[in-house]
Amino acid sequence: DGGITQSPKYLFRKEGQNVTLSCEQNLNHDAMYWYRQDPGQGLRLIYYSQIVNDFQKGDIAEGYSVSREKKESFPLTVTSAQKNPTAFYLCASSIGAYEKLFFGSGTQLSVL
Amino acid sequence: DQQVKQNSPSLSVQEGRISILNCDYTNSMFDYFLWYKKYPAEGPTFLISISSIKDKNEDGRFTVFLNKSAKHLSLHIVPSQPGDSAVYFCAASSSNDYKLSFGAGTTVTVRA
Repeated sequence: DGGITQSPKYLFRKEGQNVTLSCEQNLNHDAMYWYRQDPGQGLRLIYYSQIVNDFQKGDIAEGYSVSREKKESFPLTVTSAQKNPTAFYLCASSIGAYEKLFFGSGTQLSVL
Repeated sequence: DQQVKQNSPSLSVQEGRISILNCDYTNSMFDYFLWYKKYPAEGPTFLISISSIKDKNEDGRFTVFLNKSAKHLSLHIVPSQPGDSAVYFCAASSSNDYKLSFGAGTTVTVRA
């Protein structure tokens, strides 16, 4: 089945530690995205990538980094510079601009 | 600055009745609007969309209405079913833009 796979489902981060969230898609979509959801808030865009080897900052990119070395993969690293990392992280993909997004099942990141 | 606003955080409706969810936007460049449905600990799933050339789009029990002059859209669910209990997000985008802006969501509870 085609879709988006996020792993792990739950992740814990110690203070000062970098952690990486995985996102893989087999939909052959060009564009991929990372969103963050906090309780009672909408989804906020962290980074997006229109094509391999290219990505742009979203609205809340500080403390995060990404790479897009393969079309299928768009990992997100939450660095120690992100002071409030506890949130539900959602990866998504789309065929291109102006198209609906398909979401993965999310990763819940918590701080120990 | 939140460009998409869902001012009702929650809605409770009896099974079989109509659910009406509202969404307002401030960016006049937005011309593509979507509704997503989300269950806890899962990724959002696409429900229905509308472009600014239309004022209504229907898909089964779901109808979206767009009032461009008021910068307002609404989602009607008729009849409401227990499986409709979820969080509903309104989202908007402008032409050729990869970025979707999301509202904070409305939690719908369908009572038996």
